[in-house]
Amino acid sequence: AAGVIQSPRHLIKEKRETATLKCYPIPRHDTVYWYQQGPGQDPQFLISFYEKMQSDKGSIPDRFSAQQFSDYHSELNMSSLELGDSALYFCASSWRGGVSGEKLFFGSGTQLSVL
Amino acid sequence: SQQGEEDPQALSIQEGENATMNCSYKTSINNLQWYRQNSGRGLVHLILIRSNEREKHSGRLRVTLDTSKKSSSLLITASRAADTASYFCATESGGGADGLTFGKGTHLIIQP
Repeated sequence: AAGVIQSPRHLIKEKRETATLKCYPIPRHDTVYWYQQGPGQDPQFLISFYEKMQSDKGSIPDRFSAQQFSDYHSELNMSSLELGDSALYFCASSWRGGVSGEKLFFGSGTQLSVL
Repeated sequence: SQQGEEDPQALSIQEGENATMNCSYKTSINNLQWYRQNSGRGLVHLILIRSNEREKHSGRLRVTLDTSKKSSSLLITASRAADTASYFCATESGGGADGLTFGKGTHLIIQP
């Protein structure tokens, strides 16, 4: 069965550079979520999209932005990178149909290292 | 703000023993979910329990939910070395596409 695909798997950037992370949700899933997980930390919710519209916003810095495209893939854009942005970034998708209570399917994550 | 707090933070047991992890949360919820994460990998959904349910089973997993105490427990019976992972509880409070709020997780080590 198809899973959530994230790319790249690893990314190394310098401070103040920009990064773009991509996520391809499971086909027919209508909701995409982005999470950030620092070393030894719990995943922190950043932002979600339902049917290509931004749905909920968590602790996403103003330097970050995200969007979901017509083919349902999503991109997380990160600018003016800081050392503290080094983390594992997960994308997850689900089929919610506007109703809560569905499990999330996570991708393998993008490990971002900012030097 | 933290919603789910797990305890213990780390747990080491012998293969074949049962492992119990607890989770507490602060606000009212629609449902509570448990996820498993192997080191550096994505999270895998284990089980979901709705706010009107008290107990749920799935294979070797048993989850309880006490909404009056705002707590949940995950029991893994007859543990195996392959169960070694971090386990997170996650709560959903809103509707639609609100994000899940994860707790800090319990790192479970099963000694062969």
